[in-house]
Amino acid sequence: NAGVMQNPRHLVRRRGQEARLRCSPMKGHSHVYWYRQLPEEGLKFMVYLQKENIIDESGMPKERFSAEFPKEGPSILRIQQVVRGDSAAYFCASSQRTSGSGNEQFFGPGTRLTVL
Amino acid sequence: DQQVKQNSPSLSVQEGRISILNCDYTNSMFDYFLWYKKYPAEGPTFLISISSIKDKNEDGRFTVFLNKSAKHLSLHIVPSQPGDSAVYFCAASVRGYQKVTFGIGTKLQVIP
Repeated sequence: NAGVMQNPRHLVRRRGQEARLRCSPMKGHSHVYWYRQLPEEGLKFMVYLQKENIIDESGMPKERFSAEFPKEGPSILRIQQVVRGDSAAYFCASSQRTSGSGNEQFFGPGTRLTVL
Repeated sequence: DQQVKQNSPSLSVQEGRISILNCDYTNSMFDYFLWYKKYPAEGPTFLISISSIKDKNEDGRFTVFLNKSAKHLSLHIVPSQPGDSAVYFCAASVRGYQKVTFGIGTKLQVIP
């Protein structure tokens, strides 16, 4: 019973390069969320997706960041032209919405992005 | 605008004693609250939750208390164990909306 999978676990990019972070939700989960944790800070919501749809992207920076959750395959968080301030831990979470359930989200181990 | 506040960045407790982690929120629309535990280099792990229709929820050594009028909740761990040493995040959401708002966390150290 695999949990939420994220890869890579560590990613190093130079300024101006692109970063692609992947997330495979738990089996049976159709809701995916991306969070960012900057050093010494809490988790900040970025985006909520269902298959082929972005439901809430209110936490996404307006430029350079995009996310998708295609019909087949993992969810992708893409950061174009990375800058040093993008260095952070990026966590993906998934949930299964059932009648009467709360919003328990199950997190992956995170991808630690370092921008040189 | 920090809607979920954890004002104690750290807490040290002796093994066997009670750990009390506090959390305040400002958004009166929140009606579902969660606690997550996080070890270094790992993702947060769901611990316990409470709906706003309750004022207490218990699961083993973990109990969450909710005071809606004060917009305050707390997590009690008793007895505390060294393996409980981690960062604890308080989180809140509005039922029907999947977005969860997290506090900045409290680092708990349980001293053997």
